[in-house]
Amino acid sequence: SAVISQKPSRDICQRGTSLTIQCQVDSQVTMMFWYRQQPGQSLTLIATANQGSEATYESGFVIDKFPISRPNLTFSTLTVSNMSPEDSSIYLCSAGQGRNQPQHFGDGTRLSIL
Amino acid sequence: KQEVTQIPAALSVPEGENLVLNCSFTDSAIYNLQWFRQDPGKGLTSLLLIQSSQREQTSGRLNASLDKSSGRSTLYIAASQPGDSATYLCAAAFDSGTYKYIFGTGTRLKVLA
Repeated sequence: SAVISQKPSRDICQRGTSLTIQCQVDSQVTMMFWYRQQPGQSLTLIATANQGSEATYESGFVIDKFPISRPNLTFSTLTVSNMSPEDSSIYLCSAGQGRNQPQHFGDGTRLSIL
Repeated sequence: KQEVTQIPAALSVPEGENLVLNCSFTDSAIYNLQWFRQDPGKGLTSLLLIQSSQREQTSGRLNASLDKSSGRSTLYIAASQPGDSATYLCAAAFDSGTYKYIFGTGTRLKVLA
């Protein structure tokens, strides 16, 4: 199964700043996704990271706030822009080889906004 | 609206007990369902993936079943151990042409030594 590494593992940021989270997979994968897990809650899909094209965002999430890149089949970034305390969450990257294969997750990035 | 729910939200059992975790989904047009484990401060670990054409999957002490008609999946853990203590999440992919997962609310399991 794919091994997924996320950086940073945690960060504390000031209101109004931006942070870019990196997701590296140890093998080429078809699909990559970004999720948010707010304190005490389950996971919510932010967007599907599409290789070589714009990400597909879920309702309630917009590109200006969460720009995503996916330059190749093993790497993606999520930027959380103009952060506010409401953005304090765990952000998780996942990857899979298709609908008949399991999705695998990184350990997540714990983000706190002061 | 497609939703996934899990009951109970929390469960505490003595070591050695067999237990069942429940997952319900609102849309029978499910493509597959995956069970995950999440330890505190960690990401998700994939446990079992069940395709819509399958009725169950087994891995070691874990057995997951899928009943599309009733909109339910169960995760059976045999002979529970303290190391099984974690939050268990189910996630469903529906026939929407995408690979998106909708996650359940999770069951926090504590196995007492």
